[in-house]
Amino acid sequence: AQTVTQSQPEMSVQEAETVTLSCTYDTSESNYYLFWYKQPPSRQMILVIRQEAYKQQNATENRFSVNFQKAAKSFSLKISDSQLGDTAMYFCAFTSLTYNQGGKLIFGQGTELSVKP
Amino acid sequence: EAQVTQNPRYLITVTGKKLTVTCSQNMNHEYMSWYRQDPGLGLRQIYYSMNVEVTDKGDVPEGYKVSRKEKRNFPLILESPSPNQTSLYFCASRALGGPQHFGDGTRLSIL
Repeated sequence: AQTVTQSQPEMSVQEAETVTLSCTYDTSESNYYLFWYKQPPSRQMILVIRQEAYKQQNATENRFSVNFQKAAKSFSLKISDSQLGDTAMYFCAFTSLTYNQGGKLIFGQGTELSVKP
Repeated sequence: EAQVTQNPRYLITVTGKKLTVTCSQNMNHEYMSWYRQDPGLGLRQIYYSMNVEVTDKGDVPEGYKVSRKEKRNFPLILESPSPNQTSLYFCASRALGGPQHFGDGTRLSIL
């Protein structure tokens, strides 16, 4: 069974600095997607970034980038120039391309990020 | 605007009183799911549907029911709610090959 682990329940960073959130996963599949979702206090689930496993190039979206290490099954999120609006819970998630269970997402436990002024 | 709409956003109720959380999507997506979010556990899939009249259990289905009579709607039914079903619930939909779209969540408290 696939699992996703986020080992940092809480993190904090000063505004304008860089922070990296860790995520490891376990799967026997070779093709899959990995995601980072942001959940602000409003509770919405907002897709931050997506990585296809068959792509070697790390995904980037503005200040957000990932370090995808397929062999190590590691998928960290780097937030550059942190802003107060980045304060949120961040979830790492995995989905198989086989659409097992309707293409469900498997989530990590979440990392609560606080950006301090 | 493409969206997944859940209602209600908040509900406080008592043990044993049947309740339904509605979910509707306007994107003509085939796949719909319900998740519950609990501290330290992330989100876990309760039930899913791959099309009209096709539903199946996810990872934590006990105490829940669903139906998919129309493609756009996927209600979550708690026939006899218990306090351990107090949680934050999300409905989600996706098309084949597309990303998940989430509703805004329903905070459910069962006393």
